[in-house]
Amino acid sequence: SQWGEENLQALSIQEGEDVTMNCSYKTYTTVVQWYRQKSGKGPAQLILIRSNEREKRSGRLRATLDTSSQSSSLSITGTLATDTAVYFCATEGANYNVLYFGSGTKLTVEP
Amino acid sequence: GALVYQYPRRTICKSGTSMRMECQAVGFQATSVAWYRQSPQKTFELIALSTVNSAIKYEQNFTQEKFPISHPNLSFSSMTVLNAYLEDRGLYLCGAQNSGNTLYFGEGSRLIVV
Repeated sequence: SQWGEENLQALSIQEGEDVTMNCSYKTYTTVVQWYRQKSGKGPAQLILIRSNEREKRSGRLRATLDTSSQSSSLSITGTLATDTAVYFCATEGANYNVLYFGSGTKLTVEP
Repeated sequence: GALVYQYPRRTICKSGTSMRMECQAVGFQATSVAWYRQSPQKTFELIALSTVNSAIKYEQNFTQEKFPISHPNLSFSSMTVLNAYLEDRGLYLCGAQNSGNTLYFGEGSRLIVV
């Protein structure tokens, strides 16, 4: 397995709160991507962070990458009920076209 | 924008029968298509990666004999689940990409085996 955490994590928060989700990975990657999957939909990419970047921001999203500890985080500030989804991080395999997904974090944002 | 359509959305098939699913890319050229299976617990398993004009690469535990894939052009791919049994149940997702790192996913084809 490429991943340190194998089970779906779950978080439940109130709208307006900030949240940080973490993932750790076992094998080397040059890129970490974060995807969001809403109920009944396929995953959609949120943010991509490369190994030479420590932080990447996009709107209310902030991703970090620590290659020394092989971990990444995704933070959402000022959450909305529409942020309710399962969030996955994904790393690239030896063949850069292949993405391997972690087990995900199920985030529920209560209005 | 880049869109990916998958169909059928849901199929119920008898144990031992087969199901074919299709993946259509719109708005971009799908030079690579990755097929995944997602469990009810949301875990992803990569089945295979198909790149136009290259051999299809199957992951361990998945074979061409069980999951034959066709990727005839830059907008279409299909995969069949042959002789489906209970352990083949799940949401089959097609992720297509062009030259970049981003995978664009369809909404999946759910296989229910009875």
